[in-house]
Amino acid sequence: DAKTTQPNSMESNEEEPVHLPCNHSTISGTDYIHWYRQLPSQGPEYVIHGLTSNVNNRMASLAIAEDRKSSTLILHRATLRDAAVYYCTLPLGGSQGNLIFGKGTKLSVKP
Amino acid sequence: DTGVSQDPRHKITKRGQNVTFRCDPISEHNRLYWYRQTLGQGPEFLTYFQNEAQLEKSRLLSDRFSAERPKGSFSTLEIQRTEQGDSAMYLCASSLEGVGEQFFGPGTRLTVL
Repeated sequence: DAKTTQPNSMESNEEEPVHLPCNHSTISGTDYIHWYRQLPSQGPEYVIHGLTSNVNNRMASLAIAEDRKSSTLILHRATLRDAAVYYCTLPLGGSQGNLIFGKGTKLSVKP
Repeated sequence: DTGVSQDPRHKITKRGQNVTFRCDPISEHNRLYWYRQTLGQGPEFLTYFQNEAQLEKSRLLSDRFSAERPKGSFSTLEIQRTEQGDSAMYLCASSLEGVGEQFFGPGTRLTVL
């Protein structure tokens, strides 16, 4: 099963952009990259997903390396509500549904 | 629809007892997942259903764990003869078939004394 590697923690200042990196060097060619975030005492919340091209939605942007071995989640203007654990996930085995979560990156946002 | 709901939110039990958790997914979602999360770790996949069929089970899921989704709607996860190592947050998620977004419930926190 493909695995992901993320920094344990990152800090950002409010209203500044944040770039959260993820390495997934063993990714398979058809695996989508998914990002979720989890606030304390809540279930994970979907952020974004993509396959090859960079993706944008109202929450964030996802930049995927050309070789697909890494990706970066970009929060364009961090707010205090963005403080959470961010998980870069890949599908388990051949299924595109079940996800492998690593330990994630704990993002702190300073006012 | 208010999203995925789970019941109970908290459960404290003694070692050796059986417990059952319920998950109500978003109504039109045909896929339902169970994950387990321990402190400081990301969620770990346990099992998933497509409609009423249980299609995949993790190697983590011992024979003390059983899950059902009898009518393709709500699901139950039962743990028999609980052990202290079963203490965790049990998360349920649902989705439409395919690659997209999984919607997670708030979880059931199990404490085994």
